[in-house]
Amino acid sequence: AQKVTQAQTEISVVEKEDVTLDCVYETRDTTYYLFWYKQPPSGELVFLIRRNSFDEQNEISGRYSWNFQKSTSSFNFTITASQVVDSAVYFCALIPSYGGSQGNLIFGKGTKLSVKP
Amino acid sequence: DAGVTQSPTHLIKTRGQQVTLRCSPISGHKSVSWYQQVLGQGPQFIFQYYEKEERGRGNFPDRFSARQFPNYSSELNVNALLLGDSALYLCASSSNPGTGGSVNTGELFFGEGSRLTVL
Repeated sequence: AQKVTQAQTEISVVEKEDVTLDCVYETRDTTYYLFWYKQPPSGELVFLIRRNSFDEQNEISGRYSWNFQKSTSSFNFTITASQVVDSAVYFCALIPSYGGSQGNLIFGKGTKLSVKP
Repeated sequence: DAGVTQSPTHLIKTRGQQVTLRCSPISGHKSVSWYQQVLGQGPQFIFQYYEKEERGRGNFPDRFSARQFPNYSSELNVNALLLGDSALYLCASSSNPGTGGSVNTGELFFGEGSRLTVL
């Protein structure tokens, strides 16, 4: 089965705290792609990162960092020194190689992050 | 440059009616995908079109149909609306379909969606 699980439904932090959003995926494919998207109240999904299954290097982009661990099928997302503007729903998503395409993302249920001033 | 545009933004229908949602992709993008996002859930894939041909279909009933026009814009049609069809319908475009694992950029550009309420 192809599945993405985001166990944290809602997280609330105070500004400047670090926060980690968890993502666990399931796929039978050896080649696959993982993504994180941000959905602000306006509704549109904003692309944050793509990672393929052969690249386990962690990535940092400003205050954002991602930890990909194939051994635990996890692709966690950390925001350092959170800001109010980070408040949004964050989705982890998967494209399996077999039967998947760039337009066919399998999303988790999302984690709603609230950053309070 | 304009992003992905969708219309209408909001609409209210009653059970049994039909609805048509429209999407204009980013200029130069030939692939359009449709997703349904029920409140509190992640988006679910409905269709993908590339060069006016259907490239993928999610697990949705035949009441859902779509098409892509020569200018790459797309329409999603839903017939015989049910209460459960109430959702945010998102359109996404990309420059290529990225099938067979060849996800070149992995980046879909999403519109802000059409929020459908079925009463």
